[in-house]
Amino acid sequence: QVQLVESGGGVVQPGGSLRLSCAASGFTFSSYGMHWVRQAPGKGLEWVAFIRYDGSNKYYADSVKGRFTISRDNSKNTLYLQMNSLRAEDTAVYYCAKDRSNYGDYADYMDVWGKGTTVTVSS
Amino acid sequence: DIQLTQSPSFLSASVGDRVTITCRASQGISSYLAWYQQKPGKAPKLLIYAASTLQSGVPSRFSGSGSGTEFTLTISSLQPEDFATYYCQQLNSYSYTFGQGTKLEIK
Repeated sequence: QVQLVESGGGVVQPGGSLRLSCAASGFTFSSYGMHWVRQAPGKGLEWVAFIRYDGSNKYYADSVKGRFTISRDNSKNTLYLQMNSLRAEDTAVYYCAKDRSNYGDYADYMDVWGKGTTVTVSS
Repeated sequence: DIQLTQSPSFLSASVGDRVTITCRASQGISSYLAWYQQKPGKAPKLLIYAASTLQSGVPSRFSGSGSGTEFTLTISSLQPEDFATYYCQQLNSYSYTFGQGTKLEIK
C-alpha cells in the first residue's frame, strides 16, 4: 500500500542543523510532487515546502526560506528536508505528504501523509 | 501571501446535527481549496479538493462548496467519528497556506 515514513527528527540546539527523510513506497515516487508540512505543539498546520516530481521546481514558506532546503532522490524513493539555522519556533511535528495527481507542474492537494517526525529546538 | 480565515474556531455539536464550517480567503483563489480532517495524534486526511470534489473513500455526508473568496464544508449528519479538527488549504499561490483550524467537539 501507499506509505510514507519520516525519520531524522530529534533534539537540536538553536542555530543547529538537522536533515529529515521521508521514505516512500507503494507508488511511483518519481511521478509525484511532494510536500513538507509541520505542526507546532498545540497549533495548526503550516505548509513548509514543495518539490516538483522531477525536482526542477521548489517552493518554500516565507518562515523557512533561506534556511530550509527540500530535495529528493528518485532513485532511492526518498524526500529530504535539510534544516539549518534552526530556531525555537521550528519545533514541530514534520509531515511529508504526496501530491494527489502525478506529473503536475505545480503543487496539488495532499492525498497521502506520513505519521510525522518530531523536531525539538532547545538549548 | 494569501490568508485563510476559518469560522468558527470552535464548534460544539451533537451526533446527527448538520454543521457548516466557513473558510474565507484574503483574495480570490478560484476553486483551489481543500479541506482536511485531523484527529489527535494523527496525520491530516484529505476530505474535499477543488472546493467541492469528494476524495475517494470519504463518506458522502461531507460536502464542499464555494469559489473565489468564500468556501464552506458541510457535514450533513454528524457521526461520532467526525469529531476532529478541520483545516482548509489553498493552492492558488506558491505559498500553500492553511486556515487556523476549526475544532469540532461533542456537545
